[in-house]
Amino acid sequence: GAVVSQHPSRVICKSGTSVKIECRSLDFQATTMFWYRQFPKQSLMLMATSNEGSKATYEQGVEKDKFLINHASLTLSTLTVTSAHPEDSSFYICSARTGGGGEETQYFGPGTRLLVL
Amino acid sequence: GESVGLHLPTLSVQEGDNSIINCAYSNSASDYFIWYKQESGKGPQFIIDIRSNMDKRQGQRVTVLLNKTVKHLSLQIAATQPGDSAVYFCAETEVGGFKTIFGAGTRLFVKA
Repeated sequence: GAVVSQHPSRVICKSGTSVKIECRSLDFQATTMFWYRQFPKQSLMLMATSNEGSKATYEQGVEKDKFLINHASLTLSTLTVTSAHPEDSSFYICSARTGGGGEETQYFGPGTRLLVL
Repeated sequence: GESVGLHLPTLSVQEGDNSIINCAYSNSASDYFIWYKQESGKGPQFIIDIRSNMDKRQGQRVTVLLNKTVKHLSLQIAATQPGDSAVYFCAETEVGGFKTIFGAGTRLFVKA
């Protein structure tokens, strides 16, 4: 099946710094990528949808200036958490989908655990 | 609607028994549903999907049932194995939509 990778797998940073997380589709071209955040013992919360070459669409309540998303190519999307604070500590998961429409399967990355001290 | 910060309900079953995990979805406009399995510290893994024009679909050891009248989805796992222990999420996608919304999830414990 299709493989999605994320890098880094875990990161620890100081409060106020910025962290970049990469999401790559390894063996397919992803026209759409999604970023989710998951707190312990909770479900995945969709943060934003990114389409290659265009601006990301953010979910209500997600600050676009804090969570910068760049989908520069059909195989790479990046999420930058700017001026990170301890409350941003979470498990960030990306997914990638080929084609359009709602029924295409999403392939999920392994997640990135962020800890902000 | 969006999943809120609920603690995960838990289902505990004996190895070899059948498991049934339930999910109530919220959007009557959703027409595509997926079940995912998530192991600790990993991303979700696709298990099985179903479209709204079906009420049942079977895979290997898994069956998904859809009841659109009451907006209910279930995942049945036959002969549950220790390796099935994980958190299971249902997810829904709206007609013509691009985003998938996850349900609250259920933690499955399989006792050997």
